[in-house]
Formats: sequence, C-alpha cells, structure tokens
Amino acid sequence: DSGVTQTPKHLITATGQRVTLRCSPRSGDLSVYWYQQSLDQGLQFLIQYYNGEERAKGNILERFSAQQFPDLHSELNLSSLELGDSALYFCASSPTLLAGVTDTQYFGPGTRLTVL
Amino acid sequence: AQKVTQAQTEISVVEKEDVTLDCVYETRDTTYYLFWYKQPPSGELVFLIRRNSFDEQNEISGRYSWNFQKSTSSFNFTITASQVVDSAVYFCALSSTGANNLFFGTGTRLTVIP
Repeated sequence: DSGVTQTPKHLITATGQRVTLRCSPRSGDLSVYWYQQSLDQGLQFLIQYYNGEERAKGNILERFSAQQFPDLHSELNLSSLELGDSALYFCASSPTLLAGVTDTQYFGPGTRLTVL
Repeated sequence: AQKVTQAQTEISVVEKEDVTLDCVYETRDTTYYLFWYKQPPSGELVFLIRRNSFDEQNEISGRYSWNFQKSTSSFNFTITASQVVDSAVYFCALSSTGANNLFFGTGTRLTVIP
C-alpha cells in the first residue's frame, strides 16, 4: 500500500458525459501528479500540482482539467468524454519540490474509466 | 527530448531462472533520474528503485539488482531466481532533474512459469 488513495476504483459512463476522479496523496506529500495509462499511448504524464498550484503540464487534453485543494487532495475532471478516453488513470504523490532533485513518486491504485 | 526504450515486449522464464529486463534511455540533460516500477496483475504501480545520473554504482536488493551504465545509456534490471510472484509488467522511467514528471517506457511483461 503506497498510502495514495484514489476513488472510485472503477467508473463506467457514456460518451459526452463528465466525470471527476479523486486522489488523496500520502500524508505530508505536497506534490500530486496525474497519469493516463492506455493501450495505445502507454503511461503518459498529464499534469502536476504542488501545494495547490499547477506546476507542469504534459499531454493533457483541453477537455481535461485538474485542481489541488487546500487539504492537498486533487481532482481530475474529464468532460465531453470520448471512447478513446477509456483508460486507467493514476494519481501519484511525492514529498517536496527541491531544486535539482526528482523525488520518488508513489502511485495510487488507479481509477479504471470505461466510456461506452 | 526524453525517450525510454524497453525493447523486450514480453519475456517468459521458468521459475528459478534469472532474467534481465533491458532499459535504454535518451536525454540531453546532464543530470537526470531513472526509475523502475512494477505493475502486477492487480494493476497498481509499485516503486522499485530510483537512481540519479551521478551514481553509477550497481545496486542489489535481495533478488533484484540494477546495472546502470551511463556510457551505453542503459539501466538494466535483473531478477535472480525468479518466482511466480515476479510475474508483472515492469516499467523503466526517466525524469530530468527539476522536471519531476516521469517519461515511461512501454514496459516489459514478465511471465514466470512454475
């Protein structure tokens, strides 16, 4: 158990809908990352938040957005869903953002999204 | 640009055999970090090791060992005396210092046959 929690574990929805995935980082971790794992794209970085602020963006679609709240939990919002958005979405957390250091990222169990 | 290549898509070994998973990376950065993660059939990603580019010493942890060779841009992972519980997909990942996000390889699916 990494200490990172994600809910829900599974989500089934229809095209055009909007969903919210939730992540709670490990106790004390300030950074939260979102990744998407799909068969055709592999594991891809989407976005990073540090202590409530967006820090880095990867291959995140405009239909997707995220935020990190004062209690450090994070939500990933996916809207106008398409069949191709079906994937496993991981949240990861790491302690700090030290210059010149890349902390280990600990991953949650993931949310499997199925878009029908 | 960052790139991680795991050329072995699938490997099968018989229990107790040794197996090496290859990882070759590309980066223009002088400082960077390399990682290995394990994804068992249950789906979670389990951290195995983090290595920074200044530390070329090989590392051993129980049946696991890692060989980092900067000259060939490789960070290979060896499992000694494999066990059925080692069956999983193994990912190698790269991060530039300060960038924090991970670039993952495509993974190697290891099947250990009892």
